[in-house]
Amino acid sequence: KAGVTQTPRYLIKTRGQQVTLSCSPISGHRSVSWYQQTPGQGLQFLFEYFSETQRNKGNFPGRFSGRQFSNSRSEMNVSTLELGDSALYLCASSLVPGSNEKLFFGSGTQLSVL
Amino acid sequence: GQNIDQPTEMTATEGAIVQINCTYQTSGFNGLFWYQQHAGEAPTFLSYNVLDGLEEKGRFSSFLSRSKGYSYLLLKELQMKDSASYLCAVYNAGNMLTFGGGTRLMVKP
Repeated sequence: KAGVTQTPRYLIKTRGQQVTLSCSPISGHRSVSWYQQTPGQGLQFLFEYFSETQRNKGNFPGRFSGRQFSNSRSEMNVSTLELGDSALYLCASSLVPGSNEKLFFGSGTQLSVL
Repeated sequence: GQNIDQPTEMTATEGAIVQINCTYQTSGFNGLFWYQQHAGEAPTFLSYNVLDGLEEKGRFSSFLSRSKGYSYLLLKELQMKDSASYLCAVYNAGNMLTFGGGTRLMVKP
């Protein structure tokens, strides 16, 4: 059974550009959540999707957005990139949302903003 | 707000026992997770606690005290491969998972 797949693995952008990251969950998993990981802040929750609906959103500006498709694949978009957006973006999936559901993480997309 | 505290770094010796503490202050509580993350890799699930007490799984155990807002992860018979970051995460009443900053554990021979 394939794990959570994130593409691309590495990305270099310049300030002001926009970027789209992709996440394919484990087959059968319908819940996808996104996290930003930086050395100083640790993992910070971005948003969670289930059945194409955003269930929860973290404390990030509106430049960060996401969506989920009918096949449970998810994308996140960051517009007007800033230097501080440089981070590892992790996607995680679970069968359904729920406080007792363990998350399966992808290897992440390392975004560098120059 | 949500606040989860863990030590930034710990060092231990191969074969020893180490305890990684996590204290939390969150708006409600719906469960606590521990994840392991090796450098450059994805976090992987270690344990889940929702009731007070100790959950044992092989060399790893996790303890929870909800009244104290406290958990620890206990690693026994340390191996070099246990060198990694250990992440404590809490589900709050709004079903949002908040992670602590992680504890980087270095195991020395």
